[in-house]
Amino acid sequence: GAGVSQSPSNKVTEKGKDVELRCDPISGHTALYWYRQSLGQGLEFLIYFQGNSAPDKSGLPSDRFSAERTGGSVSTLTIQRTQQEDSAVYLCASSPRHTYQETQYFGPGTRLLVL
Amino acid sequence: AQSVTQLGSHVSVSEGALVLLRCNYSSSVPPYLFWYVQYPNQGLQLLLKYTSAATLVKGINGFEAEFKKSETSFHLTKPSAHMSDAAEYFCAVSVNNNDMRFGAGTRLTVKP
Repeated sequence: GAGVSQSPSNKVTEKGKDVELRCDPISGHTALYWYRQSLGQGLEFLIYFQGNSAPDKSGLPSDRFSAERTGGSVSTLTIQRTQQEDSAVYLCASSPRHTYQETQYFGPGTRLLVL
Repeated sequence: AQSVTQLGSHVSVSEGALVLLRCNYSSSVPPYLFWYVQYPNQGLQLLLKYTSAATLVKGINGFEAEFKKSETSFHLTKPSAHMSDAAEYFCAVSVNNNDMRFGAGTRLTVKP
């Protein structure tokens, strides 16, 4: 079946502009995660959604970052007033349910470059 | 809080040689441990995971890892490297189902 998809695959924007990154999880997966992967660093947890529960936003680095998940499926990560330090690969993952012992299935990522 | 350290950001081996990628974790309670692989321009894919069953875990593509509590390690090995193993490898730890922490990654290069 189809895996996790993300769009766009690449995004170049100017400092100060807003960007929206989209994630389509595997059908039926109730848990969805966003991570940020900066050059030479590991994955940094940003936020997760489990079903219709309130998301865990504990990893969001600033109030310029927000995310929503509509209808328990597609998720959008929004970065407002982008800064150069936001440049990174943003990865989305989903799993059948939220438990960190469960395998997470990752999308190919969105490469964001802020000029 | 748990953490994970991967020793060596780059590892280079010859085709057919042993692959050893090191991972040490810090946790005050028994952890769950994972190895993920990331091929160029792709997302991460689970190689194997330790969830308190057998300490020697076998994964896909001939990889295995051994959980050693006394050494707080979970090193990844493969007896014979293949060119297709060239990728970035991430170790991750989860404790009490409270978040997951990833290491900084190790880039494996396989020389012909």
